[in-house]
Amino acid sequence: GEDVEQSLFLSVREGDSSVINCTYTDSSSTYLYWYKQEPGAGLQLLTYIFSNMDMKQDQRLTVLLNKKDKHLSLRIADTQTGDSAIYFCAENTGFQKLVFGTGTRLLVSP
Amino acid sequence: DAGVTQSPTHLIKTRGQHVTLRCSPISGHKSVSWYQQVLGQGPQFIFQYYEKEERGRGNFPDRFSARQFPNYSSELNVNALLLGDSALYLCASSQGGEVEQYFGPGTRLTVT
Repeated sequence: GEDVEQSLFLSVREGDSSVINCTYTDSSSTYLYWYKQEPGAGLQLLTYIFSNMDMKQDQRLTVLLNKKDKHLSLRIADTQTGDSAIYFCAENTGFQKLVFGTGTRLLVSP
Repeated sequence: DAGVTQSPTHLIKTRGQHVTLRCSPISGHKSVSWYQQVLGQGPQFIFQYYEKEERGRGNFPDRFSARQFPNYSSELNVNALLLGDSALYLCASSQGGEVEQYFGPGTRLTVT
């Protein structure tokens, strides 16, 4: 079945690191994604990782993938108030069909 | 370069009416996908079109239909609107076989 789960809420202080976690169920997923959504806006692609990798780093973002446990995480270093948003993980289950999690609301306080 | 564009931005309809939403992909992109995002939830896949052919369909009733035009733009049609169809409808484009999908700003549909 298709089910992507995320914790609902994360609160951090500016300058700290944020870690957003996600679990997925489709072991055949080839790519896993992180998208950011600000209030009233569409989705912004942040980064993605191929299923045969276990880590990808892109500036302040680090993605870790544990394929055995079907666990994906996004670490944001030096979190800023502008990072406050909802973060969605998603898996590509074929024909570019993305299955999204419920989203994690990140609140960054000064 | 312009990103994915969608129209209209907002729309209010009455139960039982039908609606047409439009999407223009990024120039050079041949694949368009449609998603429905109900308030407080993640987006759910409705359709994917590539080179004017339907390549995937999500678990939505037949009231939902779509098509892709020769210029790769796309329309999503919803008939016999229900209150539960109120949502943000998102369009995503990609070159077709590529990994990245880029989303438009969405059309917010309210059904009263």
